[in-house]
Formats: sequence, structure tokens, C-alpha cells
Amino acid sequence: SQTIHQWPATLVQPVGSPLSLECTVEGTSNPNLYWYRQAAGRGLQLLFYSVGIGQISSEVPQNLSASRPQDRQFILSSKKLLLSDSGFYLCAWSPLGVGTGELFFGEGSRLTVL
Amino acid sequence: RKEVEQDPGPFNVPEGATVAFNCTYSNSASQSFFWYRQDCRKEPKLLMSVYSSGNEDGRFTAQLNRASQYISLLIRDSKLSDSATYLCVVNNQGGADGLTFGKGTHLIIQP
Repeated sequence: SQTIHQWPATLVQPVGSPLSLECTVEGTSNPNLYWYRQAAGRGLQLLFYSVGIGQISSEVPQNLSASRPQDRQFILSSKKLLLSDSGFYLCAWSPLGVGTGELFFGEGSRLTVL
Repeated sequence: RKEVEQDPGPFNVPEGATVAFNCTYSNSASQSFFWYRQDCRKEPKLLMSVYSSGNEDGRFTAQLNRASQYISLLIRDSKLSDSATYLCVVNNQGGADGLTFGKGTHLIIQP
């Protein structure tokens, strides 16, 4: 069966510090991978998605970046965090080519920027 | 007009009651629809897809009204464990990158 893991689960970072969140998927090949953010009182916002190694599409201009160094690994990064980067970050995957819109989420990373 | 709108609630419902909530969407070309469930401080999980003919999964019934551009979720014989936030999700582009999430409706089932 397929599983998705992301870490760390919780982190508190000062403004201006770097960020690295990692996500890996097991039990499937060539998944579509996604990073979403859920800020307090707001819906899920798609940040990045990837259909393959090295292929990253950005939905929202910001100080975050994403990379996909391996087929089942997706990394979210920032060089300098802003207060507005606080939120619940969710990695997700979907089967390539299915297009059903069904997403499987990781357990999330709760980021507080102080 | 927001793309996907939901009443945020909270809906406070006694255990055993029936509860229903709607979601409206603005894009008439939207192709597929879903309800996700999100427990407090947890990740969302797919509850059910919404088909044009309506569909039922146990105590849950989902319906789509394309003419009025809304989908609904009905929960019968509600359980304490149904307490959660229910997210309405619309797919505009036929792929997972085209998903738009509503902010969710918070449901509290009271004993």
C-alpha cells in the first residue's frame, strides 16, 4: 500500500531563518506531488506541484521554493522566513494520469514563525 | 465571487440527528467534486466523491446540482466521531492541480 511521510511535524522558527520540509512517498511510482499551505481561517492553498523529477510548477509567487530530487521525494524550502509563512504545510500525492482529483495527504508540518 | 464557498459553522447537532450542509462553486465548467474530512489539527482525508446522479456511502449522501452550482453532504444518524471540518473540493481542470478547496464547515456532534 502507498504511504506518505513528511517531517518535521512541528517547528518554531525565527523570522529570517531558513526552512526545509521534506516529504517522501512509498509504494507507488511517478506520483504527482503537491505542497499546500493552510493558514488559520483560510482554505488550502496550493503552493507547488510536480509531475516528475526536477519538474516544479509554482502557483503562488512567494519566498518559498520546492524541489524534487528523486521520484518520490518533495522538498519545500525557504532561505528567509517571513511571519506570514506561518501555517500548516501539507504534502500530498496523487496517481499520475488518473486525474480524479483524489489527493492523499501527509500528516502535515505545523510552522510557527516568530 | 469566491470560487468555492461554504458556511463555516459551527453546526452544533445532537447525536443521532441528521445534518446537511451545502457548498457553492462559481465555475460552471467545473468537472468533478469531492468532500474531504479534516479532524482538528490533522490532514484532510477524502470522504467521498460526488457524482452527477448522487451517491451514498453508509450514513453519508452526497448530491450535485449543476444548474444551481452547488453540492451537498447529508449525514444521517450522526455519531460523536463525525465531529470534524468538512471541506468541499472542486476540480476545474480535470487534474489534481486544478483542485480548489473550500474553507470548510465545522461540525460538532453533541452527546
